[in-house]
Amino acid sequence: AQSVTQLGSHVSVSEGALVLLRCNYSSSVPPYLFWYVQYPNQGLQLLLKYTTGATLVKGINGFEAEFKKSETSFHLTKPSAHMSDAAEYFCAVRLSGSARQLTFGSGTQLTVLP
Amino acid sequence: NAGVTQTPKFQVLKTGQSMTLQCAQDMNHNSMYWYRQDPGMGLRLIYYSASEGTTDKGEVPNGYNVSRLNKREFSLRLESAAPSQTSVYFCATSKEDTGTGGQETQYFGPGTRLLVL
Repeated sequence: AQSVTQLGSHVSVSEGALVLLRCNYSSSVPPYLFWYVQYPNQGLQLLLKYTTGATLVKGINGFEAEFKKSETSFHLTKPSAHMSDAAEYFCAVRLSGSARQLTFGSGTQLTVLP
Repeated sequence: NAGVTQTPKFQVLKTGQSMTLQCAQDMNHNSMYWYRQDPGMGLRLIYYSASEGTTDKGEVPNGYNVSRLNKREFSLRLESAAPSQTSVYFCATSKEDTGTGGQETQYFGPGTRLLVL
């Protein structure tokens, strides 16, 4: 069975500071990995995904994530936080060829302080 | 091009009442999903439909039924609502052509907030 752990349900950073949101997965085979963002009272929007190939994945709004198989991690980073980045972020995994289920982490609420 | 739409946006029910949540997509996607979102628990899959005419249970199907009416529409029904079903419900879709093997992005609707008293 696959599972996803997001360390830290709430993260606060100052505007302009580095954003680091942590995601670890457990899976017997390398999965497909996704980061979604949810702004207040909205649905989820894809930030980026890892399928195959380059392990450093660039997404929208300046975010990127690195797939590290040895650490079973897919942490999300952004060099300089902006006030508009305040939202909830979800990491999700899906096994290749499996049933259609995405397994989501519990989410990390990002607050950006002025 | 509306993407994924959900109705209603908000609903209050009394315990034991029934209701149907509607989802429609104009993206010509094959697969559709229903998730529920509860605080501190992320999103959990209730049911999904890999293609028109098929439905399958997800992680938390008890108390729900679904209908894939056609390629565009996927409804979620609560036959006898319970307070434990108070949640935000999201519909999602993905293209899922043959051979894509799970890397397809899922696109989400804006959600339906349900309160069961």
